[in-house]
Amino acid sequence: GNSVTQMEGPVTLSEEAFLTINCTYTATGYPSLFWYVQYPGEGLQLLLKATKADDKGSNKGFEATYRKETTSFHLEKGSVQVSDSAVYFCALSTGANSKLTFGKGITLSVRP
Amino acid sequence: DTGVSQNPRHKITKRGQNVTFRCDPISEHNRLYWYRQTLGQGPEFLTYFQNEAQLEKSRLLSDRFSAERPKGSFSTLEIQRTEQGDSAMYLCASSPPASQETQYFGPGTRLLVL
Repeated sequence: GNSVTQMEGPVTLSEEAFLTINCTYTATGYPSLFWYVQYPGEGLQLLLKATKADDKGSNKGFEATYRKETTSFHLEKGSVQVSDSAVYFCALSTGANSKLTFGKGITLSVRP
Repeated sequence: DTGVSQNPRHKITKRGQNVTFRCDPISEHNRLYWYRQTLGQGPEFLTYFQNEAQLEKSRLLSDRFSAERPKGSFSTLEIQRTEQGDSAMYLCASSPPASQETQYFGPGTRLLVL
């Protein structure tokens, strides 16, 4: 079956630090990959996605590259802001139903 | 575009009671998904509809759970004879025909079973 593994958290960084959040996956078929973000008190929002190998998804300064050879989709940002403090979920979908399989999520706290 | 809405946002009930949640998807979105999220975990798929047809149900969806989408618009999720283990956040998402894999989530309904 499908599964997503995220690095253990929480992660605490100082403002302007470099961010990497690791995500690896196991999938039957050829998945699409996603990063969702949940800000405090809000619902899940799609941050970025990639649908085929070597695609790079990007949004709000965040990037992730679909690496088929390492089955990974690591999230990066060059300079984090306090407003990036949130819970980040890696997810995948396969097949016609497009149901999402999520990782456990990781909490990011950015201090001024 | 008002986004996906869910009601109620919070529900506290006693064990053994029935509860019903409602989800209103984004207009024109033909797919509607239900997920459950427990503390410290990512959301887990429960079921989904394409228009009014319920096309898949997870093994997580026991016989006490039932979902409907009678006219292909809003959906309801009912839990009968609630148990403490049902306490969770119930999330609804919808997706448009042109981009089925891009799901837009509602704010969720947080259920607490005492």
